[in-house]
Amino acid sequence: GAGVSQSPSNKVTEKGKDVELRCDPISGHTALYWYRQSLGQGLEFLIYFQGNSAPDKSGLPSDRFSAERTGGSVSTLTIQRTQQEDSAVYLCASSLGGPRSLDEKLFFGSGTQLSVL
Amino acid sequence: LAKTTQPISMDSYEGQEVNITCSHNNIATNDYITWYQQFPSQGPRFIIQGYKTKVTNEVASLFIPADRKSSTLSLPRVSLSDTAVYYCLFGGFKTIFGAGTRLFVKA
Repeated sequence: GAGVSQSPSNKVTEKGKDVELRCDPISGHTALYWYRQSLGQGLEFLIYFQGNSAPDKSGLPSDRFSAERTGGSVSTLTIQRTQQEDSAVYLCASSLGGPRSLDEKLFFGSGTQLSVL
Repeated sequence: LAKTTQPISMDSYEGQEVNITCSHNNIATNDYITWYQQFPSQGPRFIIQGYKTKVTNEVASLFIPADRKSSTLSLPRVSLSDTAVYYCLFGGFKTIFGAGTRLFVKA
């Protein structure tokens, strides 16, 4: 596609429910990243994929968070038993190369605004 | 983790040149320095990237001194639409974005 696409753009859920957030990266980009941004704050790294593999899951805040990527393309971030502190904008980015490569330019989607009531 | 320090906010007027400096004392030898721009309700957008000396593209210039412990983003003749948050990064995907610099351009 022309850019990174995320869906839904907004998600309101009740505390304790599970949510799935989707990311469609730019076609041909091998690396995919998930970040979280709380209101007025910078971005917090969550997880990174190179192809379908996630070599680094250290940023996931708890075991309620998981992510997968299939076919080297679409990725889904799942949050189980959501809590109010999970409310934030979840941003996905993709890059042609990977970390520390010359092509290390991240292209971001517009994010999913998650609100946990 | 890679850490940067930038001013929290800056004000400017339309038509002025704006320089935003970022310090990155623990940058590694092979790290590139990258700047992003973020508007409300959007993801960050790549502006410019460099390794040393000076890089210029159609929207900005990036100045990096020889020791590479800092960098300066230069926005020539800003307009109201340049009001945004600007982040400098190095160190790859795990870099802490930080709060960035909030630039407010006034008429």
